[in-house]
Amino acid sequence: GQNIDQPTEMTATEGAIVQINCTYQTSGFNGLFWYQQHAGEAPTFLSYNVLDGLEEKGRFSSFLSRSKGYSYLLLKELQMKDSASYLCAVRGGGATNKLIFGTGTLLAVQP
Amino acid sequence: NAGVMQNPRHLVRRRGQEARLRCSPMKGHSHVYWYRQLPEEGLKFMVYLQKENIIDESGMPKERFSAEFPKEGPSILRIQQVVRGDSAAYFCASSPLTYEQYFGPGTRLTVT
Repeated sequence: GQNIDQPTEMTATEGAIVQINCTYQTSGFNGLFWYQQHAGEAPTFLSYNVLDGLEEKGRFSSFLSRSKGYSYLLLKELQMKDSASYLCAVRGGGATNKLIFGTGTLLAVQP
Repeated sequence: NAGVMQNPRHLVRRRGQEARLRCSPMKGHSHVYWYRQLPEEGLKFMVYLQKENIIDESGMPKERFSAEFPKEGPSILRIQQVVRGDSAAYFCASSPLTYEQYFGPGTRLTVT
């Protein structure tokens, strides 16, 4: 089966660091993506991991452990505008490029 | 380079009518994906198309739903005889071969 788990909601303080975890069990694996989605808007690409380890991009970092079926998104120096849903998605193996999404983590950044 | 375009942004249909959702991929992208997002739920894959070919339609409901990506023009997601349960946001994404998918702004379908 295909299963991707993320916490439903998280709260953090402006200026702090927050880590959003994602665990997955999929029949194939060809990369893991993180997207940000503000309410009523399109998901926007944040990061892509296909090999184990940490990928850093500005205030955002993403980590992948394929053996553990685990990833996390790390957001540093939180800003109010970071309040959004964060979607973890796995690209399945084989000929299809479809993304399998978790339900998303709604992050609320408080002053 | 314009992003992925979808229209209409909002669509209201009565039960039993047809809904046509259009998606123009980013320039140079030949792969199109359709996803549906129900209220309070995650994005669900529906169909993956390349020009004139359906590559994977494993997420499409068996009846009333169809998709195409013709040689010329946008990709179309067609829903016949809509029901209230079809009310959702429908997102199109495009990609250049294999890599990240770029999402359009979505079409919010409301069935009354």
